[in-house]
Amino acid sequence: DAKTTQPTSMDCAEGRAANLPCNHSTISGNEYVYWYRQIHSQGPQYIIHGLKNNETNEMASLIITEDRKSSTLILPHATLRDTAVYYCIVRVYPGNTGKLIFGQGTTLQVKP
Amino acid sequence: SQTIHQWPATLVQPVGSPLSLECTVEGTSNPNLYWYRQAAGRGLQLLFYSVGIGQISSEVPQNLSASRPQDRQFILSSKKLLLSDSGFYLCAWADNSPLHFGNGTRLTVT
Repeated sequence: DAKTTQPTSMDCAEGRAANLPCNHSTISGNEYVYWYRQIHSQGPQYIIHGLKNNETNEMASLIITEDRKSSTLILPHATLRDTAVYYCIVRVYPGNTGKLIFGQGTTLQVKP
Repeated sequence: SQTIHQWPATLVQPVGSPLSLECTVEGTSNPNLYWYRQAAGRGLQLLFYSVGIGQISSEVPQNLSASRPQDRQFILSSKKLLLSDSGFYLCAWADNSPLHFGNGTRLTVT
């Protein structure tokens, strides 16, 4: 599986968009980009995933660059409840989707 | 809709005591099931996964074992706990869908 690189931490003002970057320069053509988040003392929560097209759901948007070497997770209007560790993972899909390799992620702090 | 149940939520056990954590999934058939562990301040580590009843794959050598006695039941066990077994244990499932996690069990071995 391709390795991902994320900033260790980020701050965002409440109500503003939070843009979380992820680099995955060695991604293969059949690997998807997944995003999860983990709020303190809870299990990770699936957010969104995509292959090459931009994706949007009720939680977030995922923007993948044309060369697929990086992506950005966008939380359009961050709230205090979005404070969490955000993980970017690349993995073949569907495959054995549980064998995800979680790195250290980005700790997002949403401030009032 | 599918739901995953994990219990207990917290557990304090003495060194050398046995362990049994249970996870059940509802609303799906023949899911892939997983046990992850998260040590304090660290990332998630995959411990075991199962693609069917009685089929267990271990990712890392350790003091723990897993069993899948029924299609939607996954159990994590230990005969004798070590201090290093302390951590946050998470059960997860997938059926050609993104992985979904339970709320975890926080285990403290004293």
